[in-house]
Amino acid sequence: ENVLTQSPGTLSLSPGERATLSCRASQSVGNNYLAWYQQKPGQAPRLLISTASIRAAGIPDRFSGSGSGTDFILTISRLEPEDSAVYYCHQSATAPLTFGQGTKVEVK
Amino acid sequence: EVQLVESGGGLVQPGGSLRLSCAASGFTFSSFWMNWVRQAPGKAPEWVAIINQDGTERHYADSMKGRFTISRDNAKNSLYLQIDSLTAEDAGIYYCVRGAGWELHFWGLGTLVTVSS
Repeated sequence: ENVLTQSPGTLSLSPGERATLSCRASQSVGNNYLAWYQQKPGQAPRLLISTASIRAAGIPDRFSGSGSGTDFILTISRLEPEDSAVYYCHQSATAPLTFGQGTKVEVK
Repeated sequence: EVQLVESGGGLVQPGGSLRLSCAASGFTFSSFWMNWVRQAPGKAPEWVAIINQDGTERHYADSMKGRFTISRDNAKNSLYLQIDSLTAEDAGIYYCVRGAGWELHFWGLGTLVTVSS
């Protein structure tokens, strides 16, 4: 099983600041099938980034993904209050599909 | 508009069974891999199972093998998950998720499963 470890656990930043979220895989993620999701309380996860760096439809360009192999980054370039949420990374290269434990972003 | 509407959740006793359903609309259901993902309160999502377009290929999380069965009916644009011998650890929200390949692209709103006597 490819274990995904996210850091930090919590990120507290101010509006306009940059957020950098990390996701490290225990094994190389084939074809960079690494996605990022945003989840707000009471809502289903929403796809932000697929295949490491492809922004999903309707996602603002302040969200960007990078990385390959075992190390991946989600960057939120200019935080807005509505970006407060939990962010999960997820690999779909090999079964079992796995998720990271999440990074909580607080924008105050 | 793509829609995935789950149903069939509710309160079930330990040891009981449940069949979850997902009604799909707004896209050609038979063209997509489909998944079930669950999420316990306050925890990260946990992938449960995936099924291919015609139902001939299925994969399960190791901890789900034997008690969980994913299936689909393309004529009814529906996805199903049969869960047997439920335990407290099976409680949570179960999401139906449309894949792009195996990537989880579009999530339904989920159905809540509660396991208690």
